Amino acid sequence: SQQGEEDPQALSIQEGENATMNCSYKTSINNLQWYRQNSGRGLVHLILIRSNEREKHSGRLRVTLDTSKKSSSLLITASRAADTASYFCATPHSNSGYALNFGKGTSLLVTP
Amino acid sequence: NAGVMQNPRHLVRRRGQEARLRCSPMKGHSHVYWYRQLPEEGLKFMVYLQKENIIDESGMPKERFSAEFPKEGPSILRIQQVVRGDSAAYFCASSPIGDMEEQYFGPGTRLTVT
Repeated sequence: SQQGEEDPQALSIQEGENATMNCSYKTSINNLQWYRQNSGRGLVHLILIRSNEREKHSGRLRVTLDTSKKSSSLLITASRAADTASYFCATPHSNSGYALNFGKGTSLLVTP
Repeated sequence: NAGVMQNPRHLVRRRGQEARLRCSPMKGHSHVYWYRQLPEEGLKFMVYLQKENIIDESGMPKERFSAEFPKEGPSILRIQQVVRGDSAAYFCASSPIGDMEEQYFGPGTRLTVT
């Protein structure tokens, strides 16, 4: 399975601190995406990193991709209470050329 | 431009009843994807449709589940004779082309089977 697995399952930090979440996957991919899901809501696309990229930034987000280790990390700097959500990595679905495989997610809690 | 719309947002069905979940893609999008999220799990792909065509249903359970995306109107995910194990959040995503890089997700329908 190409399903990504996030680590840790849950993370609790204080506002202002940095949060790092990791994702591992099993087979070769051409891109990897990170999504955020607020409680009871749909998914919001955060960032996409391609297999020929090692690092990508978007605002307070920094994503890395290590294809040799089949892993990616999402760093949120200077976290805010509003960053409290579940974060998922998504890889291309093994059977479908169009759909995504999601891991179980990391639940992030940012306390004031 | 309204986002992906799903209704109802919450649906309660008794075992054996039918559930119909609707998804209206973003304006200009003709590709629809359905995913299911079980409690404490990530989203699992179910089916990918274009207008009037099922392109990939490799993630759909073989029985009781069906999906359609008619020429006019929303995409429908239909679950017949629901069982407790069908309780989950069902998300729809749409894209302008068949491109996993640009999928926009709806708010989901939370199905509870009692």
